[in-house]
Amino acid sequence: QVQLQESGPGLVKPSETLSLTCTVSGGSISSYYWSWIRQPAGKGLEWIGRIYTSGTTNYNPSLKSRVTMSVDTSKNQFSLKLSSVTAADTAVYYCAGEKSQRGMDVWGQGTTVTVSS
Amino acid sequence: DIQMTQSPSPLSASVGDRVTITCRASQSISDYLNWYQQKPGKVPKLLIYTVFSLQSGVPSRFSGSGSGTDFTLTISSLQPEDFATYYCQQSYSTPRTFGQGTKVEIK
Repeated sequence: QVQLQESGPGLVKPSETLSLTCTVSGGSISSYYWSWIRQPAGKGLEWIGRIYTSGTTNYNPSLKSRVTMSVDTSKNQFSLKLSSVTAADTAVYYCAGEKSQRGMDVWGQGTTVTVSS
Repeated sequence: DIQMTQSPSPLSASVGDRVTITCRASQSISDYLNWYQQKPGKVPKLLIYTVFSLQSGVPSRFSGSGSGTDFTLTISSLQPEDFATYYCQQSYSTPRTFGQGTKVEIK
């Protein structure tokens, strides 16, 4: 059973870069597309982007200029960097895995990131 | 981007009711439509993928239907643990997009 765990700072200053890592355990990092999704308090789900183990990425055009994703297969980890953050980037950030367009069937527990000085 | 629109929102219902939530895509997404359930403070959970396939462990009172642009999630007999917010999501193309969510509330 694949499990995901997000890690990273819970507080980021405005204009700085948000950095999160998701660690995959209990299974192979291969065969999944790995996504980042966020959810501001009381609001819906927003897909940030995804990465495959080959390094191929797809980003949400609304965030593309600020997003960078990477994968480290040796550590079974993938990462998100979101630059020039503002208060609007305050949210719970989830990592999730999708296989063969069959929905995201594995999720991390989420990590709250607050953007504040 | 493909826009996903859910209705109604919210939805008030009683235990035992048959509940239907509708999701409409702004263009055809074939059968690449998934449904998630999220309870307050919890992680979204995949219920149904590719329109009607039940994720392992999901009760059979949940079912999905539709094709192209119009889809439905049906709960045949609402149980107390089903009060939650439901999201549809398309996996036809990137960016992946979600509906705005339908909160199923106690009547």
